[in-house]
Parts: sequence; structure tokens; C-alpha cells
Amino acid sequence: GIQVEQSPPDLILQEGANSTLRCNFSDSVNNLQWFHQNPWGQLINLFYIPSGTKQNGRLSATTVATERYSLLYISSSQTTDSGVYFCAVPRALSSYKLIFGSGTRLLVRP
Amino acid sequence: SQTIHQWPATLVQPVGSPLSLECTVEGTSNPNLYWYRQAAGRGLQLLFYSVGIGQISSEVPQNLSASRPQDRQFILSSKKLLLSDSGFYLCAWSRGSATSYNEQFFGPGTRLTVL
Repeated sequence: GIQVEQSPPDLILQEGANSTLRCNFSDSVNNLQWFHQNPWGQLINLFYIPSGTKQNGRLSATTVATERYSLLYISSSQTTDSGVYFCAVPRALSSYKLIFGSGTRLLVRP
Repeated sequence: SQTIHQWPATLVQPVGSPLSLECTVEGTSNPNLYWYRQAAGRGLQLLFYSVGIGQISSEVPQNLSASRPQDRQFILSSKKLLLSDSGFYLCAWSRGSATSYNEQFFGPGTRLTVL
């Protein structure tokens, strides 16, 4: 089945710094989601981005489906950005079953 | 707008006891519903999904079962809990489809500890 790998596994930033998180997937996808899991466990939808680039405030995401990767950019990081960032893709092109990466754990220090 | 609720938020249960976790969705009809489990420090694993009332599909063999008695209600159950059932359980919904992917939205989760 499709494999999803995220890097780096852990990241520590000083408040105000920028970062790029990467999600690689082993097969063709036509959907991809980025989530932020906050310290209380809530999974928050960041982007639904099968291809192209989207921006939402300080966050933006780019998916290059033909090259099987997606990037999440965080600019001017804040302590509230801390948590775990997951990408997830459907198991197959017509599937609604999500496969999650193992996540990137981000800590932003004041 | 749509909202998804889960309860209880936390639960501590002895080994061998029964389990019932509930998930309800508001503001939509005929959603697809999903149960996921997250072990500590790990990603999410799909346990069950449902495309309609009474229609349940299991992804992994396990000690748990799911039911969908109403359109927007999804229940996760066990007759006898095992230590390995401990974890963080998340319910999710998406616009209804039996064949294609729609964006999934997650509830706040239930943290289960089996002692």
C-alpha cells in the first residue's frame, strides 16, 4: 500500500523563525490533507490540497503530485504553533480511507 | 456549520470491563463516519468507517466493534477491554460518498486508559 513519510520528525524553533515541513508519498494521490494536532490532542484541519499552492495567514502549503511530495511552510512561528503536524493521503485514488504520516513534532520556544 | 462531538473526553477503565464511546455530528446529513485510534506518539490508524446507517466496515481485526444506529451517530464498543486498547480515539466525518474522497474533519477525541 501507499507509504507516507514526514520529515523532520522533530523540530525546535525560536519564536519568529520560519520552517518547512515535508511529506513524501510513495504512489500517486489526488487528495492530501495537512493537520495540526495541538497539545490537547485536537486535530485541526490546515489544508486540503491535492495539488498547487494554498495560503492561510502565516501558513502555506504546496503539493507537487507528479513528484509525490507536499510542503508545509510556517512563517514567523509563534508558541501556539507547537504541536504535531500530520499529512494524510487516501489509500488509493478513489478511496476515502486516509493513511497518515508519522508526523513532525514542532516546539516553538519564546 | 458542521460540528462533531465526542464523549467522554477521558475514560479510565479496568481490564475486562465494557466500553462505549459516542460520536455525533451536527449540521450535515448522510455523512461518512470514521473511528481512528492514535497510540502515544504515533500517527492515526483507521479502525472503522461507515457510509450509512447500519453499514460498518472494519479495517483491522481487534477487540472493538462499531455501530451506527442513527444517521449522525457513531458508537465504538467493546465487551471486554484489553490493556492494548488504551489510546486516543478520534471520530471523524466527511461528506457522504461510497466511492470518492472528501475532506475529513475530526472530533476532540476520547483518551482511554485501561488499567
